[in-house]
Amino acid sequence: LAKTTQPISMDSYEGQEVNITCSHNNIATNDYITWYQQFPSQGPRFIIQGYKTKVTNEVASLFIPADRKSSTLSLPRVSLSDTAVYYCLVGALGSTLTFGKGTMLLVSP
Amino acid sequence: GAGVSQSPSNKVTEKGKDVELRCDPISGHTALYWYRQSLGQGLEFLIYFQGNSAPDKSGLPSDRFSAERTGGSVSTLTIQRTQQEDSAVYLCASSSDRAFDNSPLHFGNGTRLTVT
Repeated sequence: LAKTTQPISMDSYEGQEVNITCSHNNIATNDYITWYQQFPSQGPRFIIQGYKTKVTNEVASLFIPADRKSSTLSLPRVSLSDTAVYYCLVGALGSTLTFGKGTMLLVSP
Repeated sequence: GAGVSQSPSNKVTEKGKDVELRCDPISGHTALYWYRQSLGQGLEFLIYFQGNSAPDKSGLPSDRFSAERTGGSVSTLTIQRTQQEDSAVYLCASSSDRAFDNSPLHFGNGTRLTVT
């Protein structure tokens, strides 16, 4: 199982770009990298998923270097509503998916 | 379409009693996961069902915990002789397993269990 390491917490201000990096040194060939967002009293919600290089959707970008041993979630121009816990999950369908401890992002005015 | 549904949303029980938590996955999703989240903590894997295969029970913390999935759809997590340390939010997630599609997990909003 690929173990992930993320910063415990990060602080930002509204309008700034936030980059959260996740380390996963023992990622397997068939593992994908998926990021989830969790608000209090809710289940985690899918943000973005990638395998290699760069993926972008309407809410975030995901940068994955060639060796795939880390990944960076980029949130452009954050707002107060982006305050949440962000989880990096590494794994593949058909396997046990184990979450790390997540990163608590606090966005201030 | 409907998302993952969990019931009850809140459950308060006395120490020593048994509880059953229910999860209705998204229709057609063959993979189903249970996680536990204690206050302010990350997600702890409990058990994983994939189609008709034997479930991966490696995360169950003790033999007081069990889960089943009937007809490849609804799942029930049972905790026998509850203890105060069982107090947590129990989250269920499902995903599809179509070939070549690494579908992400879809979570319910969990059942908050309080053991008094």
